[in-house]
Amino acid sequence: QVTLKESGPVLVKPTETLTLTCTVSGFSLSNARMGVSWIRQPPGKALEWLAHIFSNDEKSYSTSLKSRLTISKDTSKSQVVLTMTNMDPVDTATYYCARIRRIAVAGTFDYWGQGTLVTVSS
Amino acid sequence: AIQLTQSPSSLSASVGDRVTITCRASQGISSALAWYQQKPGKAPKLLIYDASSLESGVPSRFSGSGSGTDFTLTISSLQPEDFATYYCQQFNSYALTFGGGTKVEIK
Repeated sequence: QVTLKESGPVLVKPTETLTLTCTVSGFSLSNARMGVSWIRQPPGKALEWLAHIFSNDEKSYSTSLKSRLTISKDTSKSQVVLTMTNMDPVDTATYYCARIRRIAVAGTFDYWGQGTLVTVSS
Repeated sequence: AIQLTQSPSSLSASVGDRVTITCRASQGISSALAWYQQKPGKAPKLLIYDASSLESGVPSRFSGSGSGTDFTLTISSLQPEDFATYYCQQFNSYALTFGGGTKVEIK
């Protein structure tokens, strides 16, 4: 079955760089019809899409966060990595990775990880 | 980026009620819209894609409609397990966006 699991630090300091890893199973990152996205949700707030990557290495980023984000993948390890620079307390959120099922230019999120809460505090 | 506005932001309803949630896009997105259900402490679950296509395994009491800028999610007969927060998401552009959410609470 399809699973995604996020891993990374639970606590980062302001100005530090966050690195999160999504390890997937049950599908291949080389599948042209699938990709992986990162989405976050501050406590008590709405979902916010951050970035996604497809098998052909096509990437897209949130317009407002583009300068701080980098997404990459290692197909052989079934992993997708997101880095976010210059972390701030407002970046405190649960970070999810999700499989994106490609429709048109992007798609919908049909499988999600359990999420990982990242707190930004000194 | 395309903005999605959901209304209402919250509603109270009883078991058996018909519930309708609206999502309005800031520009036309054809039928490139999905709906998700999220329960507290859990990841969202895909309910509807392409505005009106029911995801496999989702009960038929959920339905979606609309195209262009105006969309609706309807729950025909609210069940106890449907109390949750619902989000719309557009995928008409490379920069994806979610609506602000609608919390469905017990009356």
